[in-house]
Amino acid sequence: AQSVTQLDSQVPVFEEAPVELRCNYSSSVSVYLFWYVQYPNQGLQLLLKYLSGSTLVKGINGFEAEFNKSQTSFHLRKPSVHISDTAEYFCAVTYKAAGNKLTFGGGTRVLVKP
Amino acid sequence: GAVVSQHPSWVICKSGTSVKIECRSLDFQATTMFWYRQFPKQSLMLMATSNEGSKATYEQGVEKDKFLINHASLTLSTLTVTSAHPEDSSFYICSARPGQVATEAFFGQGTRLTVV
Repeated sequence: AQSVTQLDSQVPVFEEAPVELRCNYSSSVSVYLFWYVQYPNQGLQLLLKYLSGSTLVKGINGFEAEFNKSQTSFHLRKPSVHISDTAEYFCAVTYKAAGNKLTFGGGTRVLVKP
Repeated sequence: GAVVSQHPSWVICKSGTSVKIECRSLDFQATTMFWYRQFPKQSLMLMATSNEGSKATYEQGVEKDKFLINHASLTLSTLTVTSAHPEDSSFYICSARPGQVATEAFFGQGTRLTVV
């Protein structure tokens, strides 16, 4: 079965420090990869996505992610976080073989401290 | 970007009553809509996939008679929680995808359901 693993359930980080959120997925030939952010009691907002092409993807709010096919990873990074980046982050994968349904990771809660 | 509107954003109902949640795509036609359930501090669990004009496809373990899904038009899908019980209290989120091969789905803002 397809699966997405976010290795860290919580990541505390100081303001202006860098952050990396890890995401690994079960191997498949054709995948699309996404990172979403969720603020309390809200839906999900797309940060960035990888469909094809360059493995380094830049998204909104200064986030970027790198697709690594050999390691089946799609880690999210930001060089300098703000207090407003405190939120829940979800990695998600669409497996073409699974009818294009999104499979979500367990989420990583980022807490930015002043 | 595309906008998906979900209504209501929160609702409190009594045990035994039914609650309807609406999901609308405001500026695109959504051939496919998805309904998710999210428990506190957990990830999203896909409940069902609905395609316009046909019956929804439910994920394993989701009671189709409990969670009625209707996708009557290309811009509206509804989730009705029937005979609600306190254990149905949760955060429900819909998403909509334009077209069959679209690579991105857009999410509503979610509905907090509390059954008392």
